[in-house]
Amino acid sequence: NAGVTQTPKFRILKIGQSMTLQCAQDMNHNYMYWYRQDPGMGLKLIYYSVGAGITDKGEVPNGYNVSRSTTEDFPLRLELAAPSQTSVYFCASSRQGLANYGYTFGSGTRLTVV
Amino acid sequence: AQSVTQLGSHVSVSEGALVLLRCNYSSSVPPYLFWYVQYPNQGLQLLLKYTTGATLVKGINGFEAEFKKSETSFHLTKPSAHMSDAAEYFCAVTYNTDKLIFGTGTRLQVFP
Repeated sequence: NAGVTQTPKFRILKIGQSMTLQCAQDMNHNYMYWYRQDPGMGLKLIYYSVGAGITDKGEVPNGYNVSRSTTEDFPLRLELAAPSQTSVYFCASSRQGLANYGYTFGSGTRLTVV
Repeated sequence: AQSVTQLGSHVSVSEGALVLLRCNYSSSVPPYLFWYVQYPNQGLQLLLKYTTGATLVKGINGFEAEFKKSETSFHLTKPSAHMSDAAEYFCAVTYNTDKLIFGTGTRLQVFP
């Protein structure tokens, strides 16, 4: 039971570089999410998707992009990395009917931009 | 705006003492409420959830929470803290929409 798999676990980027954070789930969940977690700030929603081909912005989408070409995968793209994007990023997924199931989280990607 | 508030960013208790972590939500619309736990350098795990029915909800590791509509609260309790309970705890709410709204978290420290 893999659940939600995030890669890489750690990454250091230089300012202006780009990268893709990978997220895959094997539970056939329709809903997928990207959050960032900063100390004392809780979790902020970046983007989410309710199915393949459908994505929507969350609270803090600036500087990020997503795509959802398959049910299983939901990559997060950072273009022109900035120090403000230093954070821990979590991917999560849920069955349709979120209210009854909640999220299943990945183990996170710790990103540092220097 | 719909939100969830966790009172106290840090809570410290002695091993064996009562744990009480507070969570209040803001909407009059019926909520669905969750508590998650995050151990150091790990993702979040579901502790318990309230959807409908019994207002006292039991979760894993001896935790429980009570939904109190009159107080718009969903506080998390455990009668006797264990050292292994040291972690960050997040309250979350949804109002039957596509996403959860998280509180800012409470870090629980347990002293021997």
